[in-house]
Amino acid sequence: DSGVTQTPKHLITATGQRVTLRCSPRSGDLSVYWYQQSLDQGLQFLIQYYNGEERAKGNILERFSAQQFPDLHSELNLSSLELGDSALYFCASSVGGRGALSSYNEQFFGPGTRLTVL
Amino acid sequence: DAKTTQPNSMESNEEEPVHLPCNHSTISGTDYIHWYRQLPSQGPEYVIHGLTSNVNNRMASLAIAEDRKSSTLILHRATLRDAAVYYCILRALIGSQGNLIFGKGTKLSVKP
Repeated sequence: DSGVTQTPKHLITATGQRVTLRCSPRSGDLSVYWYQQSLDQGLQFLIQYYNGEERAKGNILERFSAQQFPDLHSELNLSSLELGDSALYFCASSVGGRGALSSYNEQFFGPGTRLTVL
Repeated sequence: DAKTTQPNSMESNEEEPVHLPCNHSTISGTDYIHWYRQLPSQGPEYVIHGLTSNVNNRMASLAIAEDRKSSTLILHRATLRDAAVYYCILRALIGSQGNLIFGKGTKLSVKP
């Protein structure tokens, strides 16, 4: 158990819909990262928040957005869903956020949310 | 972050040592070498990391070549539970955004 929780475990929805994925980081971790894992693209970084502020963006679509709340939990919002958005979405947390500290801070991953868009 | 090259797959027998190679010929002097693994139906988990010297922890050992252009993750006695995809990732000390950049990794199969 990594200490990172994600809900829900599974989500099945239809094209065009909007969903929210939730992540609670390990106690004391200030950074939250979102990753998407699909069969054809592998594990891809989407976005990072550090202590409530956006820190880095990866291959995140404009239809997707995220935020980190004062209690440090984070939500990933996916809208206008398409079939290709079906994937595993992982959240990870770490103590630090950027620069030198981040180079050796390990990231702890949650169990993921499996999204199926029909 | 510099690129790494790993074999697509490897096989091992249970209770035997496993050496998982990683090439990173364009590594810079301040890049850390990290290894993560992803067990089936789970999120990735940290295994080990190092900069120049060989490293040991309860999970594995990391052997780093003297020129740092390659490294090897060593599982001393493979178990069935070690069957996973292993990712070798470089993380820059300077200018790093903090996120991990995953390649395709090496899928390790362990035979009983």
